[in-house]
Amino acid sequence: EVQLVESGGGLVQPGGSLRLSCAASGFTFSAYWMYWVRQAPGKGLVWVSHIRSDGSSTNYADSVKGRFTISRDNAKNTLDLQMNSLRGEDTAMYYCARDLWGSGSTKFDYWGQGILVTVSS
Amino acid sequence: QSVLTQPPSASGTPGQRVTISCSGSSSNIRSNPVNWYQQLPGTAPRLLIYTNNQRPSGVPDRFSGSKSGTSASLAISGLQSEDEADYYCAAWDDSLNGPVFGGGTKLTVL
Repeated sequence: EVQLVESGGGLVQPGGSLRLSCAASGFTFSAYWMYWVRQAPGKGLVWVSHIRSDGSSTNYADSVKGRFTISRDNAKNTLDLQMNSLRGEDTAMYYCARDLWGSGSTKFDYWGQGILVTVSS
Repeated sequence: QSVLTQPPSASGTPGQRVTISCSGSSSNIRSNPVNWYQQLPGTAPRLLIYTNNQRPSGVPDRFSGSKSGTSASLAISGLQSEDEADYYCAAWDDSLNGPVFGGGTKLTVL
């Protein structure tokens, strides 16, 4: 059974840091591009970052560029998102999702359950 | 402001057919396949339609998708109460080199 399980969320003060993790199981993790997508309370889905299946390429939304870093460990089947210099507008549910086809595709056939990040003093 | 434009709301009565539109540009919808997601309250999004008009296994054939030029649409026929959810379109954007989503459409079954 395919599973994506996020962890590491919580309450953090503005300017602080958090590291989200996504544990993958039930599929060949190293074959998939992986994504972080967030959803602010009551708002829509927004792409945050993605990483190529072999980890050789990454990209970020302008709103998080320079503050967030995506990484993966294909030996441990884990995806991470290091979030620094957090702002109130980063408050959201964060989802990890997978895509087999990579660049040009948005076929996210499995999503994690989401993890809540709240940035507030 | 989302890159892809959807109506914020749609509604219909049980048994009716409803459509949800998604408008983009040459750098996203015209150039790349469109996918649709359904998000029930309090849950993660679920892939509903991929590559413009394909249904994953388990998705009823009441759901269909289409694409023309820089626009796409999702149609739901034989509307049921359990279809009440938020619906999002998505496509890769060649200029951003990443996925873009519509702002979402809240479907209400009256």
